[in-house]
Amino acid sequence: AQTVTQSQPEMSVQEAETVTLSCTYDTSESNYYLFWYKQPPSRQMILVIRQEAYKQQNATENRFSVNFQKAAKSFSLKISDSQLGDTAMYFCAFSNFGNEKLTFGTGTRLTIIP
Amino acid sequence: DAGVIQSPRHEVTEMGQEVTLRCKPISGHNSLFWYRQTMMRGLELLIYFNNNVPIDDSGMPEDRFSAKMPNASFSTLKIQPSEPRDSAVYFCASSLGLAGLDEQYFGPGTRLTVT
Repeated sequence: AQTVTQSQPEMSVQEAETVTLSCTYDTSESNYYLFWYKQPPSRQMILVIRQEAYKQQNATENRFSVNFQKAAKSFSLKISDSQLGDTAMYFCAFSNFGNEKLTFGTGTRLTIIP
Repeated sequence: DAGVIQSPRHEVTEMGQEVTLRCKPISGHNSLFWYRQTMMRGLELLIYFNNNVPIDDSGMPEDRFSAKMPNASFSTLKIQPSEPRDSAVYFCASSLGLAGLDEQYFGPGTRLTVT
């Protein structure tokens, strides 16, 4: 069974700074997908970024980028120029190729300080 | 599109009562997911459907929980009888169903409190 571990329950950073959220996972599969979801206080889950394991290039979406280290089974999220609206719970998630079932980590609560 | 619609948004019920949560997925999406979120256990997948057929229900905690998807635009999650430990936020999500990479679009969730 796959597991996803987020070792930072809470983090805080000053507005405009850069923050990195860590995520590790365990799988015996070679093809899979990784995701970061954001859950703001409104409770709505929103996809931030996704990565296909067979792609070596790290995914980026505007201020959000990932550092995907397949051998180390690590998938960290970097938020650059952090904004107050980035305050939320962030969940790392995993799914096997060909399987839509998502396994989520326990989340990191990120607070952006004005 | 209105996104994934869930009702009710909040539900308070007494132990032993039947609870039915409802979900309308995004039109054209082929897969539908039910999740439960608690402080203790985080986000757990309960069950998911593809083309209205249950594919994986291994996360359904026990026989008190049941889910149906009678058509492509509607699904229910029923708890009978409800217990205080069922208190949680229940999310419904839908996706195009193209094997893993698709974004799952989440509804706003139903906060269930069982007293």
